[in-house]
Amino acid sequence: NAGVTQTPKFQVLKTGQSMTLQCAQDMNHEYMSWYRQDPGMGLRLIHYSVGAGITDQGEVPNGYNVSRSTTEDFPLRLLSAAPSQTSVYFCASSYSSRTSGGAGTQYFGPGTRLTVL
Amino acid sequence: GQSLEQPSEVTAVEGAIVQINCTYQTSGFYGLSWYQQHDGGAPTFLSYNALDGLEETGRFSSFLSRSDSYGYLLLQELQMKDSASYFCAVRGVEKVTFGTGTKLQVIP
Repeated sequence: NAGVTQTPKFQVLKTGQSMTLQCAQDMNHEYMSWYRQDPGMGLRLIHYSVGAGITDQGEVPNGYNVSRSTTEDFPLRLLSAAPSQTSVYFCASSYSSRTSGGAGTQYFGPGTRLTVL
Repeated sequence: GQSLEQPSEVTAVEGAIVQINCTYQTSGFYGLSWYQQHDGGAPTFLSYNALDGLEETGRFSSFLSRSDSYGYLLLQELQMKDSASYFCAVRGVEKVTFGTGTKLQVIP
């Protein structure tokens, strides 16, 4: 199993550009989530999904959109990039949040390092 | 809402034992997780406690007291490779909230 994969690993954008960060998992996990991590800080939840076709907002959703058309994929779209969105973005997945452990046991992708100029 | 507090930095000697504490305030609590993150890397799962008590996994143990809204991660027989950041995270109904992390430095 590849686990959780993310592309690209690095990206530089200009202010106002849009892009999609890709995330895929091959563990048949129902729960997927996106976090951003800024220097010296913890991870802040952007959006999450408890299953295909279901998404919801996390702590810092503004400026980001998500969709979940399949169990495997959970892309994150930046609508109009701003310098404040410079960060490292992590995608994570876990078994259903309704089962024992669930979202308490998350597997993370390697991250995408995004710089917005 | 949810908030977590953990020390920002801890230094310990190789071979020793270190405890990293985490206190939390939450409106809905299902469990407390711990993750390890090396510089430049991704977080990796260490442990999850849904019930009170101690969970042991090799050199790492995690403890939870739901009545005190408190947990800790215990690392024994410290090795240089344990130098990393350690995050506690509270699992709510559907969302997970992370603390700001404790940077552990292991010195010879």
